[in-house]
Amino acid sequence: NAGVTQTPKFQVLKTGQSMTLQCAQDMNHEYMSWYRQDPGMGLRLIHYSVGAGITDQGEVPNGYNVSRSTTEDFPLRLLSAAPSQTSVYFCASSRGGARVKDTDTQYFGPGTRLTVL
Amino acid sequence: GESVGLHLPTLSVQEGDNSIINCAYSNSASDYFIWYKQESGKGPQFIIDIRSNMDKRQGQRVTVLLNKTVKHLSLQIAATQPGDSAVYFCAEGMGTGGFKTIFGAGTRLFVKA
Repeated sequence: NAGVTQTPKFQVLKTGQSMTLQCAQDMNHEYMSWYRQDPGMGLRLIHYSVGAGITDQGEVPNGYNVSRSTTEDFPLRLLSAAPSQTSVYFCASSRGGARVKDTDTQYFGPGTRLTVL
Repeated sequence: GESVGLHLPTLSVQEGDNSIINCAYSNSASDYFIWYKQESGKGPQFIIDIRSNMDKRQGQRVTVLLNKTVKHLSLQIAATQPGDSAVYFCAEGMGTGGFKTIFGAGTRLFVKA
């Protein structure tokens, strides 16, 4: 299994541009989440999904959209990039589904490093 | 270069010594905690977890202690190795199924050979 994969690894945008960060997992996990990590801070939840067709907002959702059309993929869209969105973005997945436990942990991708000029 | 964690607290230990990384939490209702390790350029990696009905849990070379009275967690790493150098985060698991995790700020562990 490749686990959780993210593309691109690095991206530079100009203010106002839009783009989509890709995330895919091959573990048949129901739950997927997007986090951002700023210097000197832990990860903060942007959006999450508990299954195909179901998404919800996390702590810092403004300026981002998500969709979940398949179990495997969970893209994150930046609608109009701003310098405040310069960060490292991590996608994560966890099992969920009928056998879900509150102790299920997340598997994280390698991250996308985004700079907005 | 990697700028994540630039202003994090740092713990420096000699190879072979034991390391203790501390974490305080604020929500007395939290009942599930996780320690993650994050190496430079990678995503967080699960190390060990603990439920609030336990005071201590041991893994391979790692032990987590939970003191609910003072809302404090610690991660102990025995016989610290250069490969243990990383940023360590304690986190609260919120929401059944592990889809929502609240992370602390992290501590950078530096192991001197």
